[in-house]
Amino acid sequence: EIVLTQSPATLSVSPGERATLSCRASQSISSNLAWYQQKPGQPPRLLVFAASTRATGVPARFSGSGSGTDFTLTFGSLQSEDFAVYYCQQYNDWPLTFGQGTRLEIK
Amino acid sequence: QVQVVESGGGVFQPGGSLRLSCAVSGFDFRNYGMHWVRQAPGKGLDWVSFIRYDGGNQFYADAVKGRFTISRDNSKNTVYLQMNNLRVEDTALYYCAKDDSRHRIVDYWGQGTLVIVSS
Repeated sequence: EIVLTQSPATLSVSPGERATLSCRASQSISSNLAWYQQKPGQPPRLLVFAASTRATGVPARFSGSGSGTDFTLTFGSLQSEDFAVYYCQQYNDWPLTFGQGTRLEIK
Repeated sequence: QVQVVESGGGVFQPGGSLRLSCAVSGFDFRNYGMHWVRQAPGKGLDWVSFIRYDGGNQFYADAVKGRFTISRDNSKNTVYLQMNNLRVEDTALYYCAKDDSRHRIVDYWGQGTLVIVSS
């Protein structure tokens, strides 16, 4: 199975600052990667698919990039509502797999 | 609007069985694949299973293959997860989730149903 490794595990950032999360695949997955946001007590929310396409209603400050094995999710200017846990998911091959998550916390 | 509602969770013994149900509305169910994704308490997301829109193909995570079975009834807008030979490590919140139909990603999630496996 394809293993996704997210880094860092926790990122502390001040509101208004930029932030970048990383997701690395154990083998090439082309651009078949999605990002989800999860807040406490809520199900995840789809943010980005096809590595860089924002889902409906997702603000432009969220930006995904990458292909092959290395991917990033970048926040242009962090808002208070962005502090959450973020997961990447590959859909290049079965079984589908998620990364272990990155917790984005307020500094 | 799209609604996804899971049921069937509870406390079960190791080695036991249960069936989760997921009732959906707000979209043409027969045209969309469905996923089950679980999340152990305080842990990350763990994809469990997928069923194609017509039930023709099913896929499973290695950890549940041979023990869990996904199925659907398009006449009832419902997807199921039969869980047999339960293990303590199956303890989790089980989310039912709608596939987006073009990629194998989730665009709508339920609130989840909690399964606890304990003696």
